[in-house]
Amino acid sequence: GQNIDQPTEMTATEGAIVQINCTYQTSGFNGLFWYQQHAGEAPTFLSYNVLDGLEEKGRFSSFLSRSKGYSYLLLKELQMKDSASYLCAVRDSNYQLIWGAGTKLIIKP
Amino acid sequence: GAVVSQHPSWVICKSGTSVKIECRSLDFQATTMFWYRQFPKQSLMLMATSNEGSKATYEQGVEKDKFLINHASLTLSTLTVTSAHPEDSSFYICSARGSLDYEQYFGPGTRLTVT
Repeated sequence: GQNIDQPTEMTATEGAIVQINCTYQTSGFNGLFWYQQHAGEAPTFLSYNVLDGLEEKGRFSSFLSRSKGYSYLLLKELQMKDSASYLCAVRDSNYQLIWGAGTKLIIKP
Repeated sequence: GAVVSQHPSWVICKSGTSVKIECRSLDFQATTMFWYRQFPKQSLMLMATSNEGSKATYEQGVEKDKFLINHASLTLSTLTVTSAHPEDSSFYICSARGSLDYEQYFGPGTRLTVT
């Protein structure tokens, strides 16, 4: 079966760095996505990785290792507004997005 | 960036009635649109995928006669929840895919409450 695992909840301090991990087992791989979702709102796109390595975009970076079925989202200089759920999604061989359950990130002052 | 709108943003209806939710891509042509449902504290659940001009493909367990999807143009898809029941109360989100294959933009969502 297809499976995406990410931690249910993480807590970090304002100004710090946090890494949210995602491991996946899917039938085929056509890219991995990270989305941010604030409570009561729709997800917003953060990053897309299809090749191994690190993609940096401002305070957010995303890493992919296809051989290990592993990705992480790195958030630097955390701000209170970063408190949200972070969803990892993998596009499989049928170009379907398989979603993780999301990681709720709580930022404390 | 690409914008997807949904209407209405929230709706309350009585059990047994039908509700239509519209999803529009405002500044790009969406060849494929997706409809998701999300219950509180749960992840997105894909309900169906629709391509313009053809019938929607429903995920296993989603009743196609209850959740009617129409993708009549490259900028508009509609989801109609027929004979709604309280258990259909949920957050319905559409997303649209544009010309670049990795683009998938989400609408703001529609919160449906069935009383």
